[in-house]
Amino acid sequence: DVKVTQSSRYLVKRTGEKVFLECVQDMDHENMFWYRQDPGLGLRLIYFSYDVKMKEKGDIPEGYSVSREKKERFSLILESASTNQTSMYLCASSSLLRTGTYEQYFGPGTRLTVT
Amino acid sequence: GQNIDQPTEMTATEGAIVQINCTYQTSGFNGLFWYQQHAGEAPTFLSYNVLDGLEEKGRFSSFLSRSKGYSYLLLKELQMKDSASYLCAVRVNSGAGSYQLTFGKGTKLSVIP
Repeated sequence: DVKVTQSSRYLVKRTGEKVFLECVQDMDHENMFWYRQDPGLGLRLIYFSYDVKMKEKGDIPEGYSVSREKKERFSLILESASTNQTSMYLCASSSLLRTGTYEQYFGPGTRLTVT
Repeated sequence: GQNIDQPTEMTATEGAIVQINCTYQTSGFNGLFWYQQHAGEAPTFLSYNVLDGLEEKGRFSSFLSRSKGYSYLLLKELQMKDSASYLCAVRVNSGAGSYQLTFGKGTKLSVIP
């Protein structure tokens, strides 16, 4: 059974702190994605990675960085957390192929509050 | 850029049929997905269309017209558990040899007795 896990369900951090969000998938997927989801704005892509050590900016990369040192793990880093980064963060993974269904599988999400 | 529109909210009665529309303007189209998301949970895959026409899967069907940039999700025999947000997402080829999904803002469906 497909599984994407995230390190925390709930996280509270202070402004200016460095925050690490971890995502692990056990499906040997090449692609991994980080989204944030906010009321009225929907799911927005922050960064994605299609291979180890590779990363691409999504629609809203400002204030974030990512790391993919191993195929199964994709980390989202907030270098200096700010209150406008309070959000639900969702990780997803999928197979690399561009045709066929190859849907994205989502983790349970991390609700981050920055105070 | 990509632009995806879907209604913000809909209400329907248990046992009825509801159609959720999605329109999109995009370049590099490579398929359209529908996801279901219950409150507080992660999105789960419902359907996928890449060619024009209707795809049926049990109580759920999804339709695509690429020339019109239009899709709909049809839910039949509505049940209370179908109350959720329904997300339309377009897959586009990225310049990185892979692809990404762009999501609409979602349609919150409320099923009432």
